Amino acid sequence: DVKVTQSSRYLVKRTGEKVFLECVQDMDHENMFWYRQDPGLGLRLIYFSYDVKMKEKGDIPEGYSVSREKKERFSLILESASTNQTSMYLCASSLSLLALAQDSYNSPLHFGNGTRLTVT
Amino acid sequence: GQNIDQPTEMTATEGAIVQINCTYQTSGFNGLFWYQQHAGEAPTFLSYNVLDGLEEKGRFSSFLSRSKGYSYLLLKELQMKDSASYLCAVRGSLYGGATNKLIFGTGTLLAVQP
Repeated sequence: DVKVTQSSRYLVKRTGEKVFLECVQDMDHENMFWYRQDPGLGLRLIYFSYDVKMKEKGDIPEGYSVSREKKERFSLILESASTNQTSMYLCASSLSLLALAQDSYNSPLHFGNGTRLTVT
Repeated sequence: GQNIDQPTEMTATEGAIVQINCTYQTSGFNGLFWYQQHAGEAPTFLSYNVLDGLEEKGRFSSFLSRSKGYSYLLLKELQMKDSASYLCAVRGSLYGGATNKLIFGTGTLLAVQP
């Protein structure tokens, strides 16, 4: 079974603090993702990475950055936390589609248990 | 723009059948996923459709019509433990042929009553 582990289940930080959210996966997946989940808005993609040291902006990257120095680890950084970044943060990983047959591409995302971040 | 629509809430009775609909408008289409998410937990993968038709997996089935931009998740013999949010997600245009970027709907909260 794929295991995606997020370092903290709950975090409380103050406005202006620098915040690090860590995610580790144990299945040698090429792709890793950071989403945030808010009531009524669903899951929204912040950043993703398709290889070590590679990163791409998702739909809501403002106020965030990421780091992928090793294949198994993908970190989300809030440079200066603000109250509107209070949310549930979900990390996910998946196989690269290049590893699959073209008529399939059945590569589901595997999610971690989430980090509920509160910024006060 | 890209849009995925699903009902916000549904209620059904234990032992019954329920159908959760999802319509989508995306730039490109390379597969549709259904996830189940219990309160306070991570989403877990339920099903995948890339071709038109029905995919069956035990009590759960998922249907896709690409021409209509429409999918549904069918849950049979409902159990209390099926009370959860059900998320529809679409993989649109492929990024570099490799990245598995999904767009999620806001989810349908299903309440199963005795």
